[in-house]
Amino acid sequence: AQSVTQLGSHVSVSEGALVLLRCNYSSSVPPYLFWYVQYPNQGLQLLLKYTSAATLVKGINGFEAEFKKSETSFHLTKPSAHMSDAAEYFCAARKSGQKVTFGTGTKLQVIP
Amino acid sequence: NAGVMQNPRHLVRRRGQEARLRCSPMKGHSHVYWYRQLPEEGLKFMVYLQKENIIDESGMPKERFSAEFPKEGPSILRIQQVVRGDSAAYFCASASTGTGEWVEQYFGPGTRLTVT
Repeated sequence: AQSVTQLGSHVSVSEGALVLLRCNYSSSVPPYLFWYVQYPNQGLQLLLKYTSAATLVKGINGFEAEFKKSETSFHLTKPSAHMSDAAEYFCAARKSGQKVTFGTGTKLQVIP
Repeated sequence: NAGVMQNPRHLVRRRGQEARLRCSPMKGHSHVYWYRQLPEEGLKFMVYLQKENIIDESGMPKERFSAEFPKEGPSILRIQQVVRGDSAAYFCASASTGTGEWVEQYFGPGTRLTVT
C-alpha cells in the first residue's frame, strides 16, 4: 500500500523567510503527487501537481515543488513567506484509479 | 459556476442519532468522493461514487455508514447511530471524469460533525 509522510506537523517561519515543507512518498506510489492548502474551516485547494511532465512544478501563490525520484521526495518551497501563507498543507499521492492518499498535514505558522 | 456545496456546515448530533451530510458537486461533475478528517490527521478516503453507482467504498466503515449519489439531487453520506468517534470534518470532492488522465478534484468546505 502506498503512503505519504510529511515530516513535521508544525513549521514556523518568519515573514520573508524560506518556506520548506517536506513530503516523502512510498516507492510504490504512481507518479502523481500533489500539494493542497487548507485554510481554517475551509476545504482543500490544489496548490500544484506533479504528473511526470517536469520535475520542478510551479504552483499558485509562489509555491513550487521538486520531484526527486532518488529521494522519493516532493518537498514544497516558497522563497519568501507571507502572512497569508499561514495554513495547513497536505501532500497527497494518487493511487491507480482515482483514490488519493493524503499525508497527515503540516501547519505553517508565519511569524511577523 | 458555483463550487462544490456541502450542507450543513456544522452538525451536532447526540449519540445514537442519525447524521445526513449532503454534497452537491460542481455543475457538470458526475464523480463524487467523500473523505473524513479526524483532528490532527489528514484526510482519509471513504467512498467514490458516480451517478447511481458506488465505485469504491473500501474506506467506508463496515457498519452504520452508507453513501448514495442518486440520478437527481445531491450525494448523501449517512451515518446511523452516531458515536463520539464519528466526530470529524467530512469533505466531499467532485471531478468531471473518473477515468483516463487525472483531473483535479474540487473540494467542498466540509461538514463538521460533533457528536455529544
